Amino acid sequence: SQELEQSPQSLIVQEGKNLTINCTSSKTLYGLYWYKQKYGEGLIFLMMLQKGGEEKSHEKITAKLDEKKQQSSLHITASQPSHAGIYLCGADQGANSKLTFGKGITLSVRP
Amino acid sequence: SQTIHQWPATLVQPVGSPLSLECTVEGTSNPNLYWYRQAAGRGLQLLFYSVGIGQISSEVPQNLSASRPQDRQFILSSKKLLLSDSGFYLCAWGGNNEKLFFGSGTQLSVL
Repeated sequence: SQELEQSPQSLIVQEGKNLTINCTSSKTLYGLYWYKQKYGEGLIFLMMLQKGGEEKSHEKITAKLDEKKQQSSLHITASQPSHAGIYLCGADQGANSKLTFGKGITLSVRP
Repeated sequence: SQTIHQWPATLVQPVGSPLSLECTVEGTSNPNLYWYRQAAGRGLQLLFYSVGIGQISSEVPQNLSASRPQDRQFILSSKKLLLSDSGFYLCAWGGNNEKLFFGSGTQLSVL
């Protein structure tokens, strides 16, 4: 089965700083999903990437999928306290929209 | 618009007691439904998914079972809870090859 490794495991940044987190797959990604989770709450969908080299942005968050479709990065520009939370990447297993998730990256933003 | 309801939000149960968590979806028909568990250090694990009424697929062997008595209702059950069943349970719905929408989760503590 597909395994997703997320790095770093956790991250603390000063408000206003840029940051990048990564998601690496053991197999070719056919669909890569980024979600954000506040502790003790459900997951909020951020972005989905499907094509090699694809890049999507929403507000100050940009996600990229590499050409080989085995690694994705999420970049936050000028981080704010509202960006704090757990970021999870999920990979489409190719059938019935079953998603396999990484363990998540905990982001803290210091004001 | 589609909404997903999950309850209860928190639950404390003694070892050996039964469990029933309910999830309902509104605003869509014949959704794929999923139960995930999030445990510390283990990430988000897919437990069950269903593509239709009465159709349940189990992803991992465990002490839990799932049922789908109606198109938009998904129930997670156990006859006798174990300590290892503690965790954060998330219900989700989605179409084929589409993003998943998650409920707000149930924090289960088995004591």
